[in-house]
Amino acid sequence: DAGITQSPRHKVTETGTPVTLRCHQTENHRYMYWYRQDPGHGLRLIHYSYGVKDTDKGEVSDGYSVSRSKTEDFLLTLESATSSQTSVYFCAISESLTVSNQPQHFGDGTRLSIL
Amino acid sequence: TQLLEQSPQFLSIQEGENLTVYCNSSSVFSSLQWYRQEPGEGPVLLVTVVTGGEVKKLKRLTFQFGDARKDSSLQITAAQPGDTGLYLCAGAGRAGRRALTFGSGTRLQVQP
Repeated sequence: DAGITQSPRHKVTETGTPVTLRCHQTENHRYMYWYRQDPGHGLRLIHYSYGVKDTDKGEVSDGYSVSRSKTEDFLLTLESATSSQTSVYFCAISESLTVSNQPQHFGDGTRLSIL
Repeated sequence: TQLLEQSPQFLSIQEGENLTVYCNSSSVFSSLQWYRQEPGEGPVLLVTVVTGGEVKKLKRLTFQFGDARKDSSLQITAAQPGDTGLYLCAGAGRAGRRALTFGSGTRLQVQP
């Protein structure tokens, strides 16, 4: 299994509070991704990173920010959590962004509930 | 936006039965990936298909990429309870597109 650790695994917080989720990898992969998974929507890309301090937005980036100060760590921050951000968040990594050879390896997810 | 629709959304069958899951789009993808996800875990890659018309077999699983590279199917022969899970297809767009587009998934339950 790819060495991907997400923390925390579960979190309950209140509306309006900031929340930071961490993804740590031991594979030295260049690319890292944050997805959210909701019933009926599959996995939707929030942000991704293509190197240290290099990030870009995905399809559902509003209300989220990311940072990558080291190759192994990718942080996702909900600046002011809302109930619509209750979801399961997955981090993924890949060696290459090459379209036809882009296996992604996923962490086990963080279940976030915002009350 | 490239969309992928999976069908059926839910499937409950008896052990030993055969089944097919479909992944369809109006967009062309340069490759299609299939993942399987179990409760409390992240998706795990099963296969990548790249060439239109390509067929790949993985034990009792057969994956096909449509000739026009807009659709794909996953067939499971003689399903077993261990096949239970959420099956996700994911498409990679034309060269340069930055990320995968995931379908909403097919939840399969195989009863013993």
